Amino acid sequence: AQTVTQSQPEMSVQEAETVTLSCTYDTSESDYYLFWYKQPPSRQMILVIRQEAYKQQNATENRFSVNFQKAAKSFSLKISDSQLGDAAMYFCAYRSARRDDKIIFGKGTRLHILP
Amino acid sequence: NAGVTQTPKFQVLKTGQSMTLQCAQDMNHEYMSWYRQDPGMGLRLIHYSVGAGITDQGEVPNGYNVSRSTTEDFPLRLLSAAPSQTSVYFCASSLARAPNGYTFGSGTRLTVV
Repeated sequence: AQTVTQSQPEMSVQEAETVTLSCTYDTSESDYYLFWYKQPPSRQMILVIRQEAYKQQNATENRFSVNFQKAAKSFSLKISDSQLGDAAMYFCAYRSARRDDKIIFGKGTRLHILP
Repeated sequence: NAGVTQTPKFQVLKTGQSMTLQCAQDMNHEYMSWYRQDPGMGLRLIHYSVGAGITDQGEVPNGYNVSRSTTEDFPLRLLSAAPSQTSVYFCASSLARAPNGYTFGSGTRLTVV
């Protein structure tokens, strides 16, 4: 069974600095998708970024980028120029490329932004 | 488009009571699922459905029932509420093709006393 591990329950970063959240996963499949979701205090789940495993190029979305290491089964999220609005819980997630497969979430990393 | 609509947003139940959490989506998504979120546990899958008439169990299905009579609706039933079911519940949907992540509802905070 696939698993997703986020080893940092909490992290803090100074405003305007860069922070990296770690995520590792375990799978025997070669075709899959990885996601980072953000959950601010409002509780809403927001998709931040996604990565297709068959793509070697790391995905980027404005200040958010990933470091996808397929062989190491690592999928870290880098937030540049951290802003107060980035304070949230961040979840890493995995989904097999099979049609009917479910998304598996890690336990989350709570990110604090220090002014 | 409304996206994924969950009702109610908050609910307090007494132990032993039953209730249904409603979830509806208007995006013609085949895939719908229910998760519960507990502190330190992340999101755990309760039940999911890949289309009307098809449902399957997730990681923590005990004490919950689901049905999928239409593409749009996927209600979650608590048969006899227990304090261990106190949690935040999320409904989510997606197209069947995996590249898409989920669209989430706004969540239901349920307290069982």
